[in-house]
Amino acid sequence: DTGVSQNPRHKITKRGQNVTFRCDPISEHNRLYWYRQTLGQGPEFLTYFQNEAQLEKSRLLSDRFSAERPKGSFSTLEIQRTEQGDSAMYLCASSPSQNQPQHFGDGTRLSIL
Amino acid sequence: GEDVEQSLFLSVREGDSSVINCTYTDSSSTYLYWYKQEPGAGLQLLTYIFSNMDMKQDQRLTVLLNKKDKHLSLRIADTQTGDSAIYFCAESTGYQKVTFGTGTKLQVIP
Repeated sequence: DTGVSQNPRHKITKRGQNVTFRCDPISEHNRLYWYRQTLGQGPEFLTYFQNEAQLEKSRLLSDRFSAERPKGSFSTLEIQRTEQGDSAMYLCASSPSQNQPQHFGDGTRLSIL
Repeated sequence: GEDVEQSLFLSVREGDSSVINCTYTDSSSTYLYWYKQEPGAGLQLLTYIFSNMDMKQDQRLTVLLNKKDKHLSLRIADTQTGDSAIYFCAESTGYQKVTFGTGTKLQVIP
């Protein structure tokens, strides 16, 4: 069990650029979640997958955001035309089933210049 | 909607017990969690409790749940400097999204 892995750890980009983050969940965890955490706040839910199916999306997930989990293993979160307000820590979590707690990765910190 | 509230800051002396409190609003919560976050890191699951339990103890950690008052607490016995971090209270209903509080920053004074 190597834990949830997220890449990159840090991303700095100019406003208007597109960015993509990757999350590798714990092996055999079929549920994968994305959260966003801004400074001084707790994480806020963005979306989650069961296997390759995206089952819920938060209203925080504007149309500039898209998440995929094509083979039911790793997931990507893409933000198009980044804005200053997108600066945050993006956290990924996974769980093996609906009755098990979520385990988090160390996150990707996004800074928009 | 769901809401989780906790105090922002707690300072204790090394060796004392720390008690971090949390209240939540969702009466359908089935799981309640405590996560720990150190600077620049992700969230570490410390412990969790099912809503049909009143208490759970795990080494230095004791979780108390008052479901009637929707109050959750985390007690850390013999607090060490390595316990300094932000502690998040969180709740979920089944497998759904986890709703977090704003976090309590625990400062342990040597």
